[in-house]
Amino acid sequence: QVQLQESGPGLVKPSETLSLTCTVSGGAISGYYWSWIRQPPGRGLEWIGYVYHSGSTNSNPSLKSRATISLDTSRSQFSLKLSSVTAADTAVYFCARLRAAMADPYFDNWGQGTLVTVSS
Amino acid sequence: SSELTQDPAVSVALGQTVRITCQGDSLRNIYASWYQQKPGQAPILVIYRKDNRPSGIPDRFSGSGSGNTASLTIAGAQAEDEADYYCNSRDSSGDLLLFGGGTKLTVL
Repeated sequence: QVQLQESGPGLVKPSETLSLTCTVSGGAISGYYWSWIRQPPGRGLEWIGYVYHSGSTNSNPSLKSRATISLDTSRSQFSLKLSSVTAADTAVYFCARLRAAMADPYFDNWGQGTLVTVSS
Repeated sequence: SSELTQDPAVSVALGQTVRITCQGDSLRNIYASWYQQKPGQAPILVIYRKDNRPSGIPDRFSGSGSGNTASLTIAGAQAEDEADYYCNSRDSSGDLLLFGGGTKLTVL
C-alpha cells in the first residue's frame, strides 16, 4: 500500500510563498499522477493541481497561476509552491495519488494532511 | 458547467438505507468517485468509476448514476458511517477536477 506524507512550514506570512513536499513510499512514483488538494477550516475540498511522472502539470484556474507543482522522482517526492498567499489560503493541504486523470478520475491514496496557516 | 452539487446534510436511522446524491453536467459523460471523511482525518475513497469499491470498503456502500446525477447508497447504515461524503469528477470541457460541496451524514 503506497503511503504519502506531507511536510513543510505550518505558518506562512501573507504575500510570501507556501512550500510543501509530499514523500511517497511503498510504491513507485513513476507512471502515476500526483495531486494536491486543500480544505479550508470547516469547509469542503478544493483540487489544486497535479503533476504527471513525465513532469507535465495542470492546476486549478481559480488559483490564477499561483500554484506550481513539481516532481522529484529520484527522491520519490512531489512539491507544491503557492505564491502571494493570503489568509484565504489557510487550509489543510493534502497530497494524493490520482488515477485515470484523463478519464474518470479518482484519488486512491491520500496523505494525512498538514495545516498551513497564513498569518503575520 | 463546472460544478458538482450535493445536499449539505442527510440523516438516516441506524440500520436503514440512505442515498447521497451529486448533480452536475459533467456526470452525463464522466463517472463520479466518492470519499468518506471523518473529523480530523483525510478522506478515503469508497467508490470509484461510478460503482467500484476499493478493497476494504464494506459492501453496504454502492454507487450508481443516471443522467446528470451520481448516487452513493449505504444499505444498513452503521454508526461508524457518520461522516462527510464528497463526490468528485472532472469537468467535461477538459482538465478541471471538481469536488462537490460535501454531504454531512448523521446516523440517528
